[in-house]
Amino acid sequence: AQTVTQSQPEMSVQEAETVTLSCTYDTSESDYYLFWYKQPPSRQMILVIRQEAYKQQNATENRFSVNFQKAAKSFSLKISDSQLGDAAMYFCALGGSEKLVFGKGTKLTVNP
Amino acid sequence: NAGVMQNPRHLVRRRGQEARLRCSPMKGHSHVYWYRQLPEEGLKFMVYLQKENIIDESGMPKERFSAEFPKEGPSILRIQQVVRGDSAAYFCASSPWNRATGTGELFFGEGSRLTVL
Repeated sequence: AQTVTQSQPEMSVQEAETVTLSCTYDTSESDYYLFWYKQPPSRQMILVIRQEAYKQQNATENRFSVNFQKAAKSFSLKISDSQLGDAAMYFCALGGSEKLVFGKGTKLTVNP
Repeated sequence: NAGVMQNPRHLVRRRGQEARLRCSPMKGHSHVYWYRQLPEEGLKFMVYLQKENIIDESGMPKERFSAEFPKEGPSILRIQQVVRGDSAAYFCASSPWNRATGTGELFFGEGSRLTVL
């Protein structure tokens, strides 16, 4: 079975600072994808960043980057220069042969 | 290019009634997924369908819940004889994904919030 664990129920960061959200996972598959989704108060699920497991290079999307440690099965999200609009629930997700499996989420608060 | 469309956005039912939630995938997508989100929790997989086929229903409760994705028309998640514990946000997602060429990403609708009185 595939599992995703987010050990930080809540995190906070000052505006313009950097924050890292943790995620660990477990899978027996060798070919898989990892994702971070953002869910603002509107509840819309928005893809933030994606990582293919076969790629060693960490994915980057503007202020968002990941630290993918395949051997450790770790997939953390770093948000640089945090903005008020980054406040949301963040979900780590693992995609293998079929469905996506989600972690329980981390609620990020951005303080002005 | 319209995204994943879910309706209704909000649905209120009394205990014992039926709830029907609809999902139209993005154009060109033939894979539909339903997830349930309870308050303050993550998304729990319910069912994965392709046109006219249920591929994986391992997350569906054995009773009262059913899903379909007919050849024509939207996917429907049906909950019979609703109970208060069914109150949740139900998200539909679609994907063009096939293992050979896809990226694995799911595109989500805005969700349907079911409230059972």
